[in-house]
Amino acid sequence: TQLLEQSPQFLSIQEGENLTVYCNSSSVFSSLQWYRQEPGEGPVLLVTVVTGGEVKKLKRLTFQFGDARKDSSLHITAAQPGDTGLYLCAGTSNQAGTALIFGKGTTLSVSS
Amino acid sequence: DSGVTQTPKHLITATGQRVTLRCSPRSGDLSVYWYQQSLDQGLQFLIQYYNGEERAKGNILERFSAQQFPDLHSELNLSSLELGDSALYFCASSVTGAGANVLTFGAGSRLTVL
Repeated sequence: TQLLEQSPQFLSIQEGENLTVYCNSSSVFSSLQWYRQEPGEGPVLLVTVVTGGEVKKLKRLTFQFGDARKDSSLHITAAQPGDTGLYLCAGTSNQAGTALIFGKGTTLSVSS
Repeated sequence: DSGVTQTPKHLITATGQRVTLRCSPRSGDLSVYWYQQSLDQGLQFLIQYYNGEERAKGNILERFSAQQFPDLHSELNLSSLELGDSALYFCASSVTGAGANVLTFGAGSRLTVL
């Protein structure tokens, strides 16, 4: 059973479109992180959200942590080909112990 | 360059064999994590070390073992290899071993078992 469920699994869009990817769990997380991974490389941290209801913006990317700290979303405005990659959410919870547990990720492809 | 160095980048071996993957953490980081990434399972946590001591254990098989040395580099040993062990193995490091840490990942070691 996956502790963190991400959806959609795959997303293929045109440059300029908006999109949202989701990260959901039945468990409460003390924090959630979003990473982006490109082929042949390891994941790279984009943001950490800690407080329920928190919203963080990183240029065209908007991250939200659910009020109950069980879910998070990543919204990308006016997607560009450079946004292509695997987006992973990860979190720590009492159930997971001290380790960072990852969702399976959303593979985003943005074509020009 | 993330500062986390993993060797080798690619490894091809046969079933039943044993391999060792090596990781040098980012300078100043005391904690090392090992993850296995496959298409069907995603990024699975294997094991974590902090300053030479095992801190947390995930879905690590008994055929796999790891250690962190006094100079803080870590090795992941995979033995009696099976076809299903083919995957990308990532090492990550962080300053402390506590939750909500920022993990810095290496570029991974791609293991192919034939």
